[in-house]
Amino acid sequence: SQQGEEDPQALSIQEGENATMNCSYKTSINNLQWYRQNSGRGLVHLILIRSNEREKHSGRLRVTLDTSKKSSSLLITASRAADTASYFCATVANQAGTALIFGKGTTLSVSS
Amino acid sequence: GAVVSQHPSRVICKSGTSVKIECRSLDFQATTMFWYRQFPKKSLMLMATSNEGSKATYEQGVEKDKFLINHASLTLSTLTVTSAHPEDSSFYICSARLPGGGVLTSYEQYFGPGTRLTVT
Repeated sequence: SQQGEEDPQALSIQEGENATMNCSYKTSINNLQWYRQNSGRGLVHLILIRSNEREKHSGRLRVTLDTSKKSSSLLITASRAADTASYFCATVANQAGTALIFGKGTTLSVSS
Repeated sequence: GAVVSQHPSRVICKSGTSVKIECRSLDFQATTMFWYRQFPKKSLMLMATSNEGSKATYEQGVEKDKFLINHASLTLSTLTVTSAHPEDSSFYICSARLPGGGVLTSYEQYFGPGTRLTVT
């Protein structure tokens, strides 16, 4: 089963612009994670935000979490062509095991 | 650190044959590994949780007799697709979690590069 829904499903921007992707989830969570996947490759962990955190930064990435709305956003600032990839949010439920449940993903295309 | 490898990266097999995919944690011991399946332009779907020394836990709708999982050591889990059919063609990805307990641990996972299975 899938936990989250990302929107938009696809996003096309120019280099230098900011890209914002949103994720909504259904159940209570322990933390929410964002992953990146280049076409046909494995996933790379980008950032994790715990349920008691509201915002987190890592380089050009900014993640927010609103547990009251069960939503999170990933902002990539000053995007580059190399940021072209699919981005997924994933959650681990509070009472569940350790498996990640992934959202449907946002495909980001950054053109130069 | 925390590197996970998969082998093979790509495999083509004939319908009816079985295929084994290996997932290894190269520089850490993983008591728990996970197997995901991904269709083109789709998200990852959790298939099963593989626990070292015990039976795997399969997600609803995943046939355990078709997708055999063995986690015989702390660094190796295998997924065998038995009697493969064209509809089993997919991208299979494994991940491993760093050891460490507690509800408040990060649960960060490290993913293998994936195995593209094509059944003809």
